[in-house]
Amino acid sequence: AQSVSQHNHHVILSEAASLELGCNYSYGGTVNLFWYVQYPGQHLQLLLKYFSGDPLVKGIKGFEAEFIKSKFSFNLRKPSVQWSDTAEYFCAVNPAGGNMLTFGGGTRLMVKP
Amino acid sequence: GAGVSQSPRYKVAKRGQDVALRCDPISGHVSLFWYQQALGQGPEFLTYFQNEAQLDKSGLPSDRFFAERPEGSVSTLKIQRTQQEDSAVYLCASSRDALFGYTFGSGTRLTVV
Repeated sequence: AQSVSQHNHHVILSEAASLELGCNYSYGGTVNLFWYVQYPGQHLQLLLKYFSGDPLVKGIKGFEAEFIKSKFSFNLRKPSVQWSDTAEYFCAVNPAGGNMLTFGGGTRLMVKP
Repeated sequence: GAGVSQSPRYKVAKRGQDVALRCDPISGHVSLFWYQQALGQGPEFLTYFQNEAQLDKSGLPSDRFFAERPEGSVSTLKIQRTQQEDSAVYLCASSRDALFGYTFGSGTRLTVV
């Protein structure tokens, strides 16, 4: 069975700082990779996804993620965070052709104005 | 509707009580998923439907949990004889196809007292 690790549970940044959230997964085969965001009081929303092709994926709100197959990683980045990025971020994977998403434990980001 | 609708939004149950949680997916979405999210953790898979067929129920934690989707649209997650450890947010997601990602509802927060 696949598993997902997000090593940073809580991150506090000041506005305009750069962000990188780590995500590592364990699965031997081909995977699809996702980052979801959950703003306070709201439902999970898709930030970006990787299925194939260019390993650098751009998503909404200036976020991007890079799939490094050799490291089983799919880290999320943003060059300059805003206060409105305060939220919880979840990395998720599913086996290619599969349907079930496996989530990491989440990273709670707080951006100080 | 435009999104995945879940009801009730909040549910308080006395230990031992049966509860039923409803999910109304996006019209036309073939796949429907239930996840359980405990406080401070990522969502964990419970069960998956493709139309009315329950194709995977490996994540249901005990035989007190039961899900159905009789007509391939609305789904109900039923928990019998609730226990305190059942307290969590129950998330429903639907998808037309894995390539398009999954749309999550706002969840039902169940508190067992």
